[in-house]
Amino acid sequence: AQSVTQPDIHITVSEGASLELRCNYSYGATPYLFWYVQSPGQGLQLLLKYFSGDTLVQGIKGFEAEFKRSQSSFNLRKPSVHWSDAAEYFCAVAPKGGATNKLIFGTGTLLAVQP
Amino acid sequence: NAGVTQTPKFQVLKTGQSMTLQCAQDMNHEYMSWYRQDPGMGLRLIHYSVGAGITDQGEVPNGYNVSRSTTEDFPLRLLSAAPSQTSVYFCASSYSRGSGGYEQYFGPGTRLTVT
Repeated sequence: AQSVTQPDIHITVSEGASLELRCNYSYGATPYLFWYVQSPGQGLQLLLKYFSGDTLVQGIKGFEAEFKRSQSSFNLRKPSVHWSDAAEYFCAVAPKGGATNKLIFGTGTLLAVQP
Repeated sequence: NAGVTQTPKFQVLKTGQSMTLQCAQDMNHEYMSWYRQDPGMGLRLIHYSVGAGITDQGEVPNGYNVSRSTTEDFPLRLLSAAPSQTSVYFCASSYSRGSGGYEQYFGPGTRLTVT
């Protein structure tokens, strides 16, 4: 079955520290890959996406993600976390084929930032 | 552009009541979808539409109806609310795959409580 796993439910980092959020997917073929961020009480905002090509993709707010086909992973990184990065982060995949844009989401990782 | 708008922002229903969650987009997107978000479960697809007059079921469709009479609007109907439908509901839209659309844009959400 198609699935997305975010193994870390909750992560706390200090402001200025580096961050890596993990995402693994189970899919028949490499899907399209996305990271979304959700601030408290808000909707979802797209951070970055991977369709093909360069496996290191840059997003908004200083985030980047690396696609590793051999590990079926798409981990999100940021070199220096800011207090405003505290939010919930969702990894999502969508099939490359077909006419629809169905997204399958992971369960999310809640990021807390310590001063 | 207003993007994707949802009304109401908050709603409390009694068991057995019916209601409609409204969703509208002004980006001329063909594809629209409804998700529900529950703690620890990420977002799950309820129903989606690939164009006016065309809808289909997602992962958790039971208890919900949709219709799409115009490109702009995609209302979600709860026929007889149950406590299990207490959740945050998100509407999303995108261009179709045929138009090169992959990124989905999310509304701000509707928080529904069923007592």
